[in-house]
Amino acid sequence: TQLLEQSPQFLSIQEGENLTVYCNSSSVFSSLQWYRQEPGEGPVLLVTVVTGGEVKKLKRLTFQFGDARKDSSLHITAAQTGDTGLYLCAGAKAGGGADGLTFGKGTHLIIQP
Amino acid sequence: NAGVMQNPRHLVRRRGQEARLRCSPMKGHSHVYWYRQLPEEGLKFMVYLQKENIIDESGMPKERFSAEFPKEGPSILRIQQVVRGDSAAYFCASSQKGAGLMNTEAFFGQGTRLTVV
Repeated sequence: TQLLEQSPQFLSIQEGENLTVYCNSSSVFSSLQWYRQEPGEGPVLLVTVVTGGEVKKLKRLTFQFGDARKDSSLHITAAQTGDTGLYLCAGAKAGGGADGLTFGKGTHLIIQP
Repeated sequence: NAGVMQNPRHLVRRRGQEARLRCSPMKGHSHVYWYRQLPEEGLKFMVYLQKENIIDESGMPKERFSAEFPKEGPSILRIQQVVRGDSAAYFCASSQKGAGLMNTEAFFGQGTRLTVV
């Protein structure tokens, strides 16, 4: 059973449009991170959210952590072709423990010119 | 400040050979994590190490796979007697804080792409 479900799995939109991708779980996470991965490269950390209800903005990207710290969303305004990539969410489990981050399968985003 | 360095970037091995993947964490980071990524499968946790200690290897196959992070030098992920199913991208990440703590941020290397022929 996958702990982090990301949706949609694939998304192709035109440049200039807005979009939202989701990361959902039945588990509570102490923190949640969003990464972007380009082909042939490692994931690059975009943001970490820690507090339930927290909203962080990174230029045209807005990240929100759910109140219950079980889910998160990433909203992109006026998408650009440079936003194309695989977006991964990853959670650190609440309650401590030595596990590594739990990753979702990712959303493959294509922004068409 | 160099990021996480992995080498080699690409590795080709014949079935039955050994594969050794190296990871040098970011300066000041003493926690290392190994992940495997198969196409369309996302990143799967394999093992978490701190200097000279394996903290959690719950994601590592019981046979043929081993990992170490010695006091000096890089972390090594070793795969013995490789099979075709071991072909994947292997990523290493490092963090300053340990896993399970709030606000742990992990930074990834560029990965090693292992192809078993």
